[in-house]
Amino acid sequence: DADVTQTPRNRITKTGKRIMLECSQTKGHDRMYWYRQDPGLGLRLIYYSFDVKDINKGEISDGYSVSRQAQAKFSLSLESAIPNQTALYFCATSDFRGGNEQFFGPGTRLTVL
Amino acid sequence: SQQGEEDPQALSIQEGENATMNCSYKTSINNLQWYRQNSGRGLVHLILIRSNEREKHSGRLRVTLDTSKKSSSLLITASRAADTASYFCATDAEGGYQKVTFGTGTKLQVIP
Repeated sequence: DADVTQTPRNRITKTGKRIMLECSQTKGHDRMYWYRQDPGLGLRLIYYSFDVKDINKGEISDGYSVSRQAQAKFSLSLESAIPNQTALYFCATSDFRGGNEQFFGPGTRLTVL
Repeated sequence: SQQGEEDPQALSIQEGENATMNCSYKTSINNLQWYRQNSGRGLVHLILIRSNEREKHSGRLRVTLDTSKKSSSLLITASRAADTASYFCATDAEGGYQKVTFGTGTKLQVIP
């Protein structure tokens, strides 16, 4: 079984809809992250969480919110989706003892029409 | 803004040749990491080099770090078709609250 899972894997939605992307991990890591990837722009950090009570904005948090429901679960919400949020979204985890090596989920491809 | 910038943006080589990718970054770092991404999939960690290290090896991978020039290189020796992927550097910046910042990537194509 995969250590970091994301659901859904693909989603097509319409402008204005609320969308939630979910991430679960079995690695026992405290740290979890949400990134988006756009062609030519690499990965950009949306939000990160170093433990259940710690949530921090990343580089591009506007239009997004997150919830850390448990150590193993970190969800990303788009409150009112817009077309320029069409992207590939990745969840990742890390362990502070490992030099912040990131372990990635398989990604969610989101299309906003 | 991106901390790391990879060069070249794209690279095409024949199987068996060596591939070299470079990464430049802007601020002092704790460590620098390289990742591989197969098309549309999650990134996979390849190697981490700490700021007090100058060179590191892992199998066919060789990473160098020059903190005075704020640059790193990734060398893949004896490339294989399976090495075709995008490669990203990521920096863990000093004072960066222990989160990594990714570069824009080098797309490597290895032709059989």
